[in-house]
Amino acid sequence: EPEVTQTPSHQVTQMGQEVILRCVPISNHLYFYWYRQILGQKVEFLVSFYNNEISEKSEIFDDQFSVERPDGSNFTLKIRSTKLEDSAMYFCASALTKGAGEQYFGPGTRLTVT
Amino acid sequence: GESVGLHLPTLSVQEGDNSIINCAYSNSASDYFIWYKQESGKGPQFIIDIRSNMDKRQGQRVTVLLNKTVKHLSLQIAATQPGDSAVYFCAENRGGGGNKLTFGTGTQLKVEL
Repeated sequence: EPEVTQTPSHQVTQMGQEVILRCVPISNHLYFYWYRQILGQKVEFLVSFYNNEISEKSEIFDDQFSVERPDGSNFTLKIRSTKLEDSAMYFCASALTKGAGEQYFGPGTRLTVT
Repeated sequence: GESVGLHLPTLSVQEGDNSIINCAYSNSASDYFIWYKQESGKGPQFIIDIRSNMDKRQGQRVTVLLNKTVKHLSLQIAATQPGDSAVYFCAENRGGGGNKLTFGTGTQLKVEL
């Protein structure tokens, strides 16, 4: 069964450093998402991406964040200058269609900012 | 403000019993309501969804009920198994340009042997 994959599984970085979180969505999917989950809290939407552009972004997704689909398979989230409060699990998700509820989530990358 | 929330943070059931997990929502304009299961250390796993113009939808051992009058969503799991132990989130898809999901706070389901 096809699945969303994410690398690395755990990333430790120092405050102020740049990080890139990588995702490989399901191959025939067209809609891509990043969510995050701070420990013990609910999953929060960050950004959605379709047709090589951002469809929607949340207030969390400020100028320090960017997304890119550099080729036909990868989808990345970059944080330019990490802050302590960026520590969280980051989940990538993809969907085949827009209307249906089903988004497939990856296993997540745990980002720890020290 | 608009939100999706859960009534019970923890639900303990005996193996073989039926489980009912509840969720309240406040946005009547949502297109879809979805239940996700999250096991420790893993990403949310899609269980079942229901479109806003439906009242009930059944899957394998799961049923989702939508009561738009009281803005209530429930997930029923039949013959609960140890593998069902996880955190369950309800989420809503409000449509729009981004198709984003708005998640509730989660209910921990514990299945006792």
